[in-house]
Amino acid sequence: AQSVTQLDSHVSVSEGTPVLLRCNYSSSYSPSLFWYVQHPNKGLQLLLKYTSAATLVKGINGFEAEFKKSETSFHLTKPSAHMSDAAEYFCVVTVSGGYNKLIFGAGTRLAVHP
Amino acid sequence: GAGVSQSPSNKVTEKGKDVELRCDPISGHTALYWYRQSLGQGLEFLIYFQGNSAPDKSGLPSDRFSAERTGGSVSTLTIQRTQQEDSAVYLCASSPHRGPPGAEAFFGQGTRLTVV
Repeated sequence: AQSVTQLDSHVSVSEGTPVLLRCNYSSSYSPSLFWYVQHPNKGLQLLLKYTSAATLVKGINGFEAEFKKSETSFHLTKPSAHMSDAAEYFCVVTVSGGYNKLIFGAGTRLAVHP
Repeated sequence: GAGVSQSPSNKVTEKGKDVELRCDPISGHTALYWYRQSLGQGLEFLIYFQGNSAPDKSGLPSDRFSAERTGGSVSTLTIQRTQQEDSAVYLCASSPHRGPPGAEAFFGQGTRLTVV
């Protein structure tokens, strides 16, 4: 069965420093993987997605993620954090077999300090 | 419409009452999902509709929960005899494609349900 584990429930960084949000997945098939962001009192927004093309995926707002099959990881990074990046981030894997059921990780809350 | 629309945005109900939550997906999207997000928690899958196929109801927490999707468009999530533990934000999403490569799911703003 597919599953996704976000290794940190909370991450705190200073503005201008790098961001790393960790995600490991489990899948019997080649997965599709996503990162979604949820700002306070706002809806979920897609940051980026991996669908078996390039392993380094670039998303919005300067975020990127690298699919590493050998490590079953899909960590989200950003070179320099901005105050507006403070939000909840979800790593998501799809169920295989032509069935787009989304499996969400528990989420990582990112805090950015001045 | 331009996006996924959910109504009501907020619902306060008394314990034991039934509630209906509505979702209008993006026109033409064949896949529709319901999720639940409890305070401080991740998203819990409830039910998935794909075209005319039988829905995947494996995430519904009890038989008090049911959902319908009429005409392949609007969906209603019904919770009967609500309990306080049903309090959460109920999110609906729709997606234009059936299977991999994964298609982006577009989420509504959610319905915040409070059972008192």
